[in-house]
Amino acid sequence: GDSVTQMEGPVTLSEEAFLTINCTYTATGYPSLFWYVQYPGEGLQLLLKATKADDKGSNKGFEATYRKETTSFHLEKGSVQVSDSAVYFCALSGLSGGSNYKLTFGKGTLLTVNP
Amino acid sequence: GAVVSQHPSWVICKSGTSVKIECRSLDFQATTMFWYRQFPKQSLMLMATSNEGSKATYEQGVEKDKFLINHASLTLSTLTVTSAHPEDSSFYICSAIGTGGHSNQPQHFGDGTRLSIL
Repeated sequence: GDSVTQMEGPVTLSEEAFLTINCTYTATGYPSLFWYVQYPGEGLQLLLKATKADDKGSNKGFEATYRKETTSFHLEKGSVQVSDSAVYFCALSGLSGGSNYKLTFGKGTLLTVNP
Repeated sequence: GAVVSQHPSWVICKSGTSVKIECRSLDFQATTMFWYRQFPKQSLMLMATSNEGSKATYEQGVEKDKFLINHASLTLSTLTVTSAHPEDSSFYICSAIGTGGHSNQPQHFGDGTRLSIL
């Protein structure tokens, strides 16, 4: 079945540091890939997505490139801020028995950015 | 756009009672809604997928008689935890996707409901 493996945290950085959170996946077919962010006590918000190989998703300074050859979708940001502190989930969307597309999530990576 | 509202955000109740959680898509029609459960510091576990007007599809290991899901309209799905017990305490999150049903459509999430059973 489909699976997502992401870098285990927690990750602690100083403000303005460079961020990379690794994510690799296994899936049949051609899934779409997503990064979601969860702030404390809240639901998930879509951060960015990519729907085919070599696509680059970007939002709020975060980027991730869909690499089919390495089955990866690593999240990067050049200069993190304290407000980026949250849990980040990598996910893929694939068919679940029938026509429903369901998300398979990684375990999440807690990022803490210190001033 | 694509706002999903979940209510209540927090509920505390006694063991044995039933609790209903609502999930509404406010500005789009949601043909499919998903219910997740999240344990502390863990990822989301898909419980069930519901399509408007039809029975929900439950994931393996999820008791359908325990977690009743109704998706009566294109903007509302409800999850009822029946005869709740302390082990049902958790963070429950719903999500919705609009018409089309393509894999590149993101799911839009509610803010979650923290359920505490005493």
